[in-house]
Formats: sequence, structure tokens, C-alpha cells
Amino acid sequence: SQKIEQNSEALNIQEGKTATLTCNYTNYSPAYLQWYRQDPGRGPVFLLLIRENEKEKRKERLKVTFDTTLKQSLFHITASQPADSATYLCALRPPARQLTFGSGTQLTVLP
Amino acid sequence: KAGVTQTPRYLIKTRGQQVTLSCSPISGHRSVSWYQQTPGQGLQFLFEYFSETQRNKGNFPGRFSGRQFSNSRSEMNVSTLELGDSALYLCASSLGSFQSNTEAFFGQGTRLTVV
Repeated sequence: SQKIEQNSEALNIQEGKTATLTCNYTNYSPAYLQWYRQDPGRGPVFLLLIRENEKEKRKERLKVTFDTTLKQSLFHITASQPADSATYLCALRPPARQLTFGSGTQLTVLP
Repeated sequence: KAGVTQTPRYLIKTRGQQVTLSCSPISGHRSVSWYQQTPGQGLQFLFEYFSETQRNKGNFPGRFSGRQFSNSRSEMNVSTLELGDSALYLCASSLGSFQSNTEAFFGQGTRLTVV
């Protein structure tokens, strides 16, 4: 079955630095991969979607890469701010299956 | 455009009781999914409905059930509540089903506490 791993349960970085979060998947080659942000006690919010042939996608201070050979996606937040502190989830949908989420990485940006 | 609405926001129930949670998707969205979230388990998939048909079901006991109505609103029911059912229940809506490039829009969730 599909397995998604986000290899850091928690990540602390200093304000202004770049945060890099990792998402690895197995047993499937998705055409798309999604990233979400979740704040405590709230539902996840969609951030970015990247296609398998897009290698890299940017949105403001966010950048996502997608390496289908390594079966890995990297999520970067540049010039990080305390307001970026949240849990970040990667997700993909195998054919005819539900949208499946990784366990998330809790990011804390220290002032 | 109104977002996904879940009711109630908070609920306290006693072991053995049953509970019904409601989800109104974004207008025009026909797919509704339910997830359970507990601190140590992340987002666990419960079920997905599209046009009143259950498309996928997660690995939860039969005490967990759901349905979708013709207006795309969805309900989930948990019977014979157990302490371990205490969790944040999240509903997500999307335009289509089985489309891997379709983003999901989540509601605020229902926080269920079983005592």
C-alpha cells in the first residue's frame, strides 16, 4: 500500500533562515503531489500542487521540488517568519484511492 | 464563496452513546471526505463520498458510518462511542473524485470528546 513519510516530526529554525521539509513516498509514482499547512485545532489549508514533470514550483516565499527518481518532494520556506510556525503536510492520491497525507512536520520559527 | 462548514464545532459525549457530525461542502463540490485526527496518529482517512456514493473507506470499525445527500451535504455517525474515539474529525470537499490534481478544502473540524 501507499506509504508517505515526512522524516522530521519537528523542526526548529531561526527567523530569516530557510526551512526545508522532506516528504518521501513508496509503492506508487504519483502524477501530482500536494502540500498543506495546518495550524493547531484547525483544518489543513492547501498551499501548493506540483506535477511530476514540473521539478520545481514557487509561490511567494514557498518552493516545492519533486524528484520522481528519488520519490521525494522538498518543501522550502525562505526568509522564514514566526508566523510560518505550523504543521506542514504532504499528500498524494493514488489512482482510485483517497487523498492520503503524511504525518506532518511541525515547524517552529524562533524569533 | 462560503467554505466548508462543519457542525457542531465541539461535542462531549459519554461512552456508549452515539453521535452524528455534519458537513456542508463548498457549493458545487460533489466530493466529501472525512478524516480523524488524533495527536499521535495524524490524519486517518474514514470515507469518501461522491454524488451520494461511497467511493473509498478507511480501516475503521463498522461503528463508523457515513452518508451523503443529494445536495452533497454529508454526515458521519459513530455508534457505541469509546474513549479512543476522542479526536478532531475533519471534513474536506473537492470538485471531483479520483482526481489527483484536485485540492481539498477542509472545514474547521468537530472536536469530539468522549468521557
